[in-house]
Amino acid sequence: DADVTQTPRNRITKTGKRIMLECSQTKGHDRMYWYRQDPGLGLQLIYYSFDVKDINKGEISDGYSVSRQAQAKFSLSLESAIPNQTALYFCATSDFRDTGELFFGEGSRLTVL
Amino acid sequence: GQNIDQPTEMTATEGAIVQINCTYQTSGFNGLFWYQQHAGEAPTFLSYNVLDGLEEKGRFSSFLSRSKGYSYLLLKELQMKDSASYLCAVTDSNYQLIWGAGTKLIIKP
Repeated sequence: DADVTQTPRNRITKTGKRIMLECSQTKGHDRMYWYRQDPGLGLQLIYYSFDVKDINKGEISDGYSVSRQAQAKFSLSLESAIPNQTALYFCATSDFRDTGELFFGEGSRLTVL
Repeated sequence: GQNIDQPTEMTATEGAIVQINCTYQTSGFNGLFWYQQHAGEAPTFLSYNVLDGLEEKGRFSSFLSRSKGYSYLLLKELQMKDSASYLCAVTDSNYQLIWGAGTKLIIKP
């Protein structure tokens, strides 16, 4: 089983719908991240959390919200999806005692029609 | 602003050697990562450099020059499975990761 699990892996939805992407990890890491990847643009940080009570905006947080329900769970929500949020979304974790190496989930491909 | 530059695409031949360059301009430096990403999959860790010099790990090596803001990833004895995107990322003074757009490496037989 993967150490960082994302659900759903694929989702097609319509403009205006609320969408939640979930991430859970068994690595015991305190730090969790949500990234978005568009072709040719690399990874863009949406939100990150260094522990359960810590939530921080990344470079592209507008239109997104997150919830850190437990050390192992970090969810990303799109309150009202729009077509330009069509992208590949990755959850990642890291250990503050380490170099900062990220461990990624398998990704969630979201299509907004 | 903070910036990481790497070539968009490179082509190489199976069995050959290829060097992928990365230059960076960031507010501070706390380490440089290289990740490999196959199409549609998650990035996977390849290497980490925080001090100047060459780090070798099997067929892959990574070099860092902090004074020049420069790194390269060297792939030897290329295999078809090495066809992927290679992402350079730098940790800045606030320990935030700044990502390059990635280099798509195409391996030809």
